[in-house]
Amino acid sequence: AQSVTQLDSQVPVFEEAPVELRCNYSSSVSVYLFWYVQYPNQGLQLLLKYLSGSTLVESINGFEAEFNKSQTSFHLRKPSVHISDTAEYFCAVTRNTGGFKTIFGAGTRLFVKA
Amino acid sequence: GAVVSQHPSRVICKSGTSVKIECRSLDFQATTMFWYRQFPKKSLMLMATSNEGSKATYEQGVEKDKFLINHASLTLSTLTVTSAHPEDSSFYICSARDLGTKDTGELFFGEGSRLTVL
Repeated sequence: AQSVTQLDSQVPVFEEAPVELRCNYSSSVSVYLFWYVQYPNQGLQLLLKYLSGSTLVESINGFEAEFNKSQTSFHLRKPSVHISDTAEYFCAVTRNTGGFKTIFGAGTRLFVKA
Repeated sequence: GAVVSQHPSRVICKSGTSVKIECRSLDFQATTMFWYRQFPKKSLMLMATSNEGSKATYEQGVEKDKFLINHASLTLSTLTVTSAHPEDSSFYICSARDLGTKDTGELFFGEGSRLTVL
């Protein structure tokens, strides 16, 4: 079985400061890794994903995440945040060998202050 | 990316009534859809996996007679909350994977439906 741990429930940060949202996972099989973002009263949107290949993946709005197999981590980073990045961020894993279930972490509330 | 549409976005009903929420895949065929429930400031809890043409698979602790799921076509799954009570008030979100050749494990989410039971 898979599990996902997001260590920080809330991360307050000032605008233009860097931020890291932590995610650790456990799985006995190979997985795909995802970060989803949720704005208030909306569904989730994919931010970025790791399937294979380069361990560093990037999104179009400046976020990046690095897959670290030895530490079973997939931390999300952004060098300079904006007010508009305020949202809930979910780390998720899906088995890549079938079964199709996606397991989500508890979420991290990123709050960007002016 | 693939688009999933969910309706209604908000619904208020009286205790004891039933409410149906629809989830549609607009530009791909979704043989499998997932229904999640999200409590305030909490993560998503998988309720059930909806399979086209067969019975849904419910997660442990989810009452299948309470939350009826029907997946009658490749583009539509419905969740019916029967005899709703105030404790059923929540944000319900559906999602689907495009299991065709483009499948990358990514889930495509509906906009969510906020149910309030008075």
